Amino acid sequence: DQQVKQNSPSLSVQEGRISILNCDYTNSMFDYFLWYKKYPAEGPTFLISISSIKDKNEDGRFTVFLNKSAKHLSLHIVPSQPGDSAVYFCAASTSGGSNYKLTFGKGTLLTVNP
Amino acid sequence: DAGVTQSPTHLIKTRGQHVTLRCSPISGHKSVSWYQQVLGQGPQFIFQYYEKEERGRGNFPDRFSARQFPNYSSELNVNALLLGDSALYLCASSIRTSGVYQETQYFGPGTRLLVL
Repeated sequence: DQQVKQNSPSLSVQEGRISILNCDYTNSMFDYFLWYKKYPAEGPTFLISISSIKDKNEDGRFTVFLNKSAKHLSLHIVPSQPGDSAVYFCAASTSGGSNYKLTFGKGTLLTVNP
Repeated sequence: DAGVTQSPTHLIKTRGQHVTLRCSPISGHKSVSWYQQVLGQGPQFIFQYYEKEERGRGNFPDRFSARQFPNYSSELNVNALLLGDSALYLCASSIRTSGVYQETQYFGPGTRLLVL
């Protein structure tokens, strides 16, 4: 049972345009969501996060939107740059309890074309 | 500041052998988590340690074990290796303080394990 889903395995965008990566989740206990970027042969790099008490968080070119009723979040990258080409993972966790494990989606490969 | 470091970067083992992977967290971080990432999948949670105690375990067999040392570094051990254990093993650290809060985990570069 996959609790975090990234239904688009890949996305191709022109440089300078907006990239929108989507993520859906099924576990209503998730209350903290993160996006990571991963280049080949490297570990995931933290990009941006959002708490369930918010519906938007912005950091430079990156904005994450959260729609709790739809159990959906999205990452917007504006403007997209060729260096943004990587695999993007959506992850979720729950507060409380004894551990804060991250549950990841399968990732979306973003290609930004010059 | 140095990020999360892991060693070795690559490792080749044969079936039935055991392996030990090492991780040093970001300075000041007290919690270490281990994840397994196989090709085409997202990382899967294996363990989380905080203050040398196991705080969480994912759906992995008992062949997988870990520990955390007083300096907060950690080891992941896998016994009786199977072909299916071939994967990228990621270590992540977080500050982790007491109480309920939402933490960000920062990942190391990973150890790529190949089991032949």
